[in-house]
Order: sequence, then C-alpha cells, then structure tokens
Amino acid sequence: DAGITQSPRHKVTETGTPVTLRCHQTENHRYMYWYRQDPGHGLRLIHYSYGVKDTDKGEVSDGYSVSRSKTEDFLLTLESATSSQTSVYFCAISESRIEQYFGPGTRLTVT
Amino acid sequence: QQQVKQSPQSLIVQKGGISIINCAYENTAFDYFPWYQQFPGKGPALLIAIRPDVSEKKEGRFTISFNKSAKQFSLHIMDSQPGDSATYFCAASINNFNKFYFGSGTKLNVKP
Repeated sequence: DAGITQSPRHKVTETGTPVTLRCHQTENHRYMYWYRQDPGHGLRLIHYSYGVKDTDKGEVSDGYSVSRSKTEDFLLTLESATSSQTSVYFCAISESRIEQYFGPGTRLTVT
Repeated sequence: QQQVKQSPQSLIVQKGGISIINCAYENTAFDYFPWYQQFPGKGPALLIAIRPDVSEKKEGRFTISFNKSAKQFSLHIMDSQPGDSATYFCAASINNFNKFYFGSGTKLNVKP
C-alpha cells in the first residue's frame, strides 16, 4: 500500500467518546487526505492537508478535526463520536493529482 | 450534492463479456478523470485516467470513453474476467486543486 499505514485497523467505541485515527506515510508525499467510505456514497473527503500544519475541509468535515505536525503523520479526530460516524476510513497520499495512494483503511464502529 | 454521479450501483457480467460503468458531472472546471479499482478489504488503487482533450484512452482491456459536450465518461472492461470483480469508482478533479470528487461506486461481479 505504497508505504501508508493506518492505525488502528479496527475500533469499536461508544457514542460521545473522542477517537483519533492515525495515518503514517514513508513516501514523503506532500498531500494527505482522509476519506470515509459508506455504501451508496462512495468515498467522501473529510479533510486534507497540503503541507505541515496546512489543512482544509472537505465535503463532510462536521464533527471531525485533523492535525499534521510532521510530513509523515496525519491525524483524524472525532471529537465526540456519533453512530453516524460508523464507517470505513481511508487515508490517502499524493505528490500530484495524477494518482492518490490509499492506505488499508480503518473500520470504526460507534455503538 | 454529489459532484460526480455514477451508475449502475451494481453490475453482473458473464466471463468474456463487456462491463460498462457510467459517470456524469456538472462542473466544467473538472479536467482530470481517474478511475479507481477496489478489492474487498483493500484501499482503492488507480486503474486508468483521462483528460478532456482526448475522447478515448485504452490500457489493455480497460478503456475510458469521454464525451465532453455531454459531461459524461465511462469505463469499458472488455473480455471481463472473474479477477475483475471489484468495486470501481470514477472521480474528477480541478487543475491546481489536489482534491478529488468520487462517484458512489459500482460493484462488479464477473461470473465464471
């Protein structure tokens, strides 16, 4: 998966708890993304980063925050998890828009 | 509001047949259209991509057809194989913006 790891790979959490997902890359790519994948909705962009400490919102950013303090790490935080945030979360990296490389995904269940 | 609309949601094709997946968009600023392939339990991976200055791009059994005036593009998989069974996503992006808008996905099942 092009030097991208996501942790944890699976998580079950309770409504109202904060959750942080981590994406780590070894490719030194400038751009990093967080998507969620849900049946019938495809991949929807949550947040993305175009450099260290440079981030912007995507289509479905409400309830999520991100941080990128190092080139290789991009963290996604669910401030207070809700059942609607049950999903599979993918991190992706790119150096140009020609190709994005996706991580293996994190399956999050909010009960 | 989905920027890229994809159909069908699912597709069953016999081995050796042609699989066709369609996508449509409204934003004329889009100028790069990739297709991604995703196998169960894996992240999507780039399959093939096209820019609007050409009407067709072919790579092996995979062909993208692009109709700029209709704002539509499609993926054709010739001689479909069981190994092609996967979910396919079309996407679009705008020059100078490293953001992608994905379609809702098509689950392809190629029967032996």
